[in-house]
Amino acid sequence: EPEVTQTPSHQVTQMGQEVILRCVPISNHLYFYWYRQILGQKVEFLVSFYNNEISEKSEIFDDQFSVERPDGSNFTLKIRSTKLEDSAMYFCASRRTDTGGSNEQFFGPGTRLTVL
Amino acid sequence: SQKIEQNSEALNIQEGKTATLTCNYTNYSPAYLQWYRQDPGRGPVFLLLIRENEKEKRKERLKVTFDTTLKQSLFHITASQPADSATYLCALSSSASKIIFGSGTRLSIRP
Repeated sequence: EPEVTQTPSHQVTQMGQEVILRCVPISNHLYFYWYRQILGQKVEFLVSFYNNEISEKSEIFDDQFSVERPDGSNFTLKIRSTKLEDSAMYFCASRRTDTGGSNEQFFGPGTRLTVL
Repeated sequence: SQKIEQNSEALNIQEGKTATLTCNYTNYSPAYLQWYRQDPGRGPVFLLLIRENEKEKRKERLKVTFDTTLKQSLFHITASQPADSATYLCALSSSASKIIFGSGTRLSIRP
């Protein structure tokens, strides 16, 4: 069964450094998402992406964040200058387009980001 | 602002019984309500979706109800098994937009 994959599984970085989190969505999916989950808290929406542009973003997704689909398979989240409070699990998700308008999203296993 | 409440942080039941989890929401009229399962350190796994014009949906041992008047969904797992132990997330969405998640209910099934 196809699944969303994410790399790395764990990223440790120093405050102020740039990180890029990578995702490979399910191959025939066209909607892509990033969510994050701070330890012990809710899963929170960051950004949605469709047709090579951001379709919606949350207040969390400020100028320090960016997303890109550099080729036909990868979807990346970049944090330009990490802060301690960026430490969280980051989940990539993707959605088919032939689900009759529903919003069933498939999530990857996550990247645990630790900012020191 | 939109708010989702899952009324139990944790639920502990005996194997074989039916687990019932509750999700209430305010300040939102979702087109879809979904339930996901999340195991520790893993991503959410989709279980069931119910539309605003549907009252009930079933899948194997799972059943979801959706009452848009009460702004409430109930999620049932019948004949529960220890393998059903996980955190269950209620989630709301409209069309292809973001999913808004509740904080989850941690379900433990004891043998």
